[in-house]
Amino acid sequence: QKEVEQDPGPLSVPEGAIVSLNCTYSNSAFQYFMWYRQYSRKGPELLMYTYSSGNKEDGRFTAQVDKSSKYISLFIRDSQPSDSATYLCAMSVRHASGGSYIPTFGRGTSLIVHP
Amino acid sequence: DSGVTQTPKHLITATGQRVTLRCSPRSGDLSVYWYQQSLDQGLQFLIQYYNGEERAKGNILERFSAQQFPDLHSELNLSSLELGDSALYFCASSVAPSGRGETQYFGPGTRLLVL
Repeated sequence: QKEVEQDPGPLSVPEGAIVSLNCTYSNSAFQYFMWYRQYSRKGPELLMYTYSSGNKEDGRFTAQVDKSSKYISLFIRDSQPSDSATYLCAMSVRHASGGSYIPTFGRGTSLIVHP
Repeated sequence: DSGVTQTPKHLITATGQRVTLRCSPRSGDLSVYWYQQSLDQGLQFLIQYYNGEERAKGNILERFSAQQFPDLHSELNLSSLELGDSALYFCASSVAPSGRGETQYFGPGTRLLVL
């Protein structure tokens, strides 16, 4: 079992829909939770990060963390065709070899928003 | 544009060969991370350097090595290449070494194909 599980999709939705992307994890030591967006043939870019359980909102994006269930979500409101990308969840804990918090990534969910 | 540059963009080589991938971090960033992204493994952390020193080591093969130079650019050396080394290699940079939820800025990646 991988530490971070994420459905690869693809998830296809019409423009304007509310999108829900999810990840589950097994390592209860994870402390930081992140969502990255990766367009085709580009590097990932950080969308949001959270530390505690609960919700964090940024524009059309809401990140939700439930540490008790080991479950994180990203909601996208009023989805646009420009949101079509792969969304990777990531979570980090202090690395065994030093003081750094290194992210462990999910495999990514491919999202397609069609006009 | 993240401000992180990687060269070359594409690399085609043969099994058994050695290649060097280069990364220049964003101006002011002291920390450099290397990742490998493949279809079957997803995005995997390889190694981190901070201000010239190795900071954290992940799933990096012994055939691979990296270093960070005084001008803060970094190189990832891959030797005795195998077909399975074909992947996207990303470099990311950040200001601080801890990675504690702070933004990592990813470069555009180097696409390596081993024939």
